[in-house]
Amino acid sequence: DAGVTQSPTHLIKTRGQQVTLRCSPKSGHDTVSWYQQALGQGPQFIFQYYEEEERQRGNFPDRFSGHQFPNYSSELNVNALLLGDSALYLCASSFLNSFRANVLTFGAGSRLTVL
Amino acid sequence: QQPVQSPQAVILREGEDAVINCSSSKALYSVHWYRQKHGEAPVFLMILLKGGEQKGHDKISASFNEKKQQSSLYLTASQLSYSGTYFCGTEEKGSGNTGKLIFGQGTTLQVKP
Repeated sequence: DAGVTQSPTHLIKTRGQQVTLRCSPKSGHDTVSWYQQALGQGPQFIFQYYEEEERQRGNFPDRFSGHQFPNYSSELNVNALLLGDSALYLCASSFLNSFRANVLTFGAGSRLTVL
Repeated sequence: QQPVQSPQAVILREGEDAVINCSSSKALYSVHWYRQKHGEAPVFLMILLKGGEQKGHDKISASFNEKKQQSSLYLTASQLSYSGTYFCGTEEKGSGNTGKLIFGQGTTLQVKP
């Protein structure tokens, strides 16, 4: 059973450009969350998608947007890239289990470098 | 608000024990523990849902004091494979059981032969 898959694994962009990152959740999972992880730091919550809508959002500007498709896959878009957007972007999928908890399964991430 | 983990780093010899602490200023619904090895995805270890609950995974266990908003991860008889960075992720009460986790800054654990 494939876990969470993300693409691309690495990419390099220049300031001002736009980027789209993609995520396919683990089979059976209906919720997708996106996190930004700077070097040496813990993952920071960007937003979460459920039933094709943004359900929760962290403290990130509107340059960060996303989408969830009917098959539960998701995209993260970042416009007007800044040097500070360089980071590992992690996608995590989950579902509400019988214990009333969402346990996250992470993908390997997309490493974005902004020059 | 980000939970605070301590210590920031720890070095062990194989077979030694370690404790990693996670403290939040918010009322918590759950605490999740993950381990991340360099260049890899964070891997789920365990979740604690109730006050005082303890869970175990092989020689790794954890506790959650709901009243103090604190959790501790216990690694006993450490193995080389335990090396990595450990993160606690806290889910605040009122977040609707959605799995919106706020992660600590991480604790780097190195186990030496």
